[in-house]
Amino acid sequence: GQQLNQSPQSMFIQEGEDVSMNCTSSSIFNTWLWYKQDPGEGPVLLIALYKAGELTSNGRLTAQFGITRKDSFLNISASIPSDVGIYFCAGQATIQGAQKLVFGQGTRLTINP
Amino acid sequence: ETGVTQTPRHLVMGMTNKKSLKCEQHLGHNAMYWYKQSAKKPLELMFVYNFKEQTENNSVPSRFSPECPNSSHLFLHLHTLQPEDSALYLCASSQDFSGWVSPLHFGNGTRLTVT
Repeated sequence: GQQLNQSPQSMFIQEGEDVSMNCTSSSIFNTWLWYKQDPGEGPVLLIALYKAGELTSNGRLTAQFGITRKDSFLNISASIPSDVGIYFCAGQATIQGAQKLVFGQGTRLTINP
Repeated sequence: ETGVTQTPRHLVMGMTNKKSLKCEQHLGHNAMYWYKQSAKKPLELMFVYNFKEQTENNSVPSRFSPECPNSSHLFLHLHTLQPEDSALYLCASSQDFSGWVSPLHFGNGTRLTVT
């Protein structure tokens, strides 16, 4: 079935550094979504991408929908302590005639002040 | 209250207990979902309700029983669970599920521990 490979699984960085994470798949997706989950809370939508090649920013976050429709990346510039959390990619695809949403395993971001 | 609210936040239950998880959304959405989140695994979709009708059961064991009395409320009834069912159970809602999965809004989850 559809699977997303999200990497890296975890990152340990210094405050102020830029962060980059990505999701890849052997399957084509129609939509890419990036969520962030703070400790003790549910995931919150950060960015939604609806078109191949689309590049979208939300403050210090930038995400792109890959041209092949099989990948997406998320960049965070000038990281700050509140960026700590788990970041999930999610891809929407048609599987057996139905629209499905598939999640990656998550990237756990830890920031040293 | 706004958003998606889940209660209780934490639940410890024995394998012979019966308990229920509750979810309520105040977003005017028509689709509601139960997800299971285990450590180091992708979010696992369990059930989907669209306009109060169950549209998806993702091969979930019968010891998990969902109920959706209206578009704003969703329950997950639990009985004779196993220790491996311990996880964070997340409720989510979206505008609808009519072939276009609109972005999900998640609750903060119920941390379930089965002893």
